[in-house]
Amino acid sequence: DVKVTQSSRYLVKRTGEKVFLECVQDMDHENMFWYRQDPGLGLRLIYFSYDVKMKEKGDIPEGYSVSREKKERFSLILESASTNQTSMYLCASSFQQGTVFTDTQYFGPGTRLTVL
Amino acid sequence: LAKTTQPISMDSYEGQEVNITCSHNNIATNDYITWYQQFPSQGPRFIIQGYKTKVTNEVASLFIPADRKSSTLSLPRVSLSDTAVYYCLVVPGGRRALTFGSGTRLQVQP
Repeated sequence: DVKVTQSSRYLVKRTGEKVFLECVQDMDHENMFWYRQDPGLGLRLIYFSYDVKMKEKGDIPEGYSVSREKKERFSLILESASTNQTSMYLCASSFQQGTVFTDTQYFGPGTRLTVL
Repeated sequence: LAKTTQPISMDSYEGQEVNITCSHNNIATNDYITWYQQFPSQGPRFIIQGYKTKVTNEVASLFIPADRKSSTLSLPRVSLSDTAVYYCLVVPGGRRALTFGSGTRLQVQP
């Protein structure tokens, strides 16, 4: 079974702090993703990466950055946390199958971040 | 990307068949229809994907009419454990990133 793990289930930080959210997958997937999920807004893509050191902005990248130094690990960084970044953060990974089908994404359990 | 419309919520009872319909009027030729399921406090998980006609797996069936402007996810004989949010996605083949809407919240009662 594919396993995607996230470093914390719950995290509480203060405004202005630098926050690191870590995600690790064990299936040698090329693609990794960071989403945030808020009530009534569904999941929104923040950033994704299709290879080591490669990244692309998603729909809401403002206030976030990412790092992918190793294939299995994808980090989301909040340079200066703000209260409007309080949310559930979900990491996902997928295997790049090609151009025919859409790739199945495998999600981690999520990190509920509260910024005070 | 094609816009999808699905019910905000649905209620059902154990043992019933549940059909969740998703509208996607501006679906493109190379788009695939994919459904994900999300239980409380968990990340979404893939259920089923199709292009046209009918697809069935151990979890659900997906019905897609010839014009592909809508699709129906069918869950046979639901149980309490099927209580979840179900997302309909329409995604171009080969696209890496997915766009999730708000989904349909299914509540199964005993």
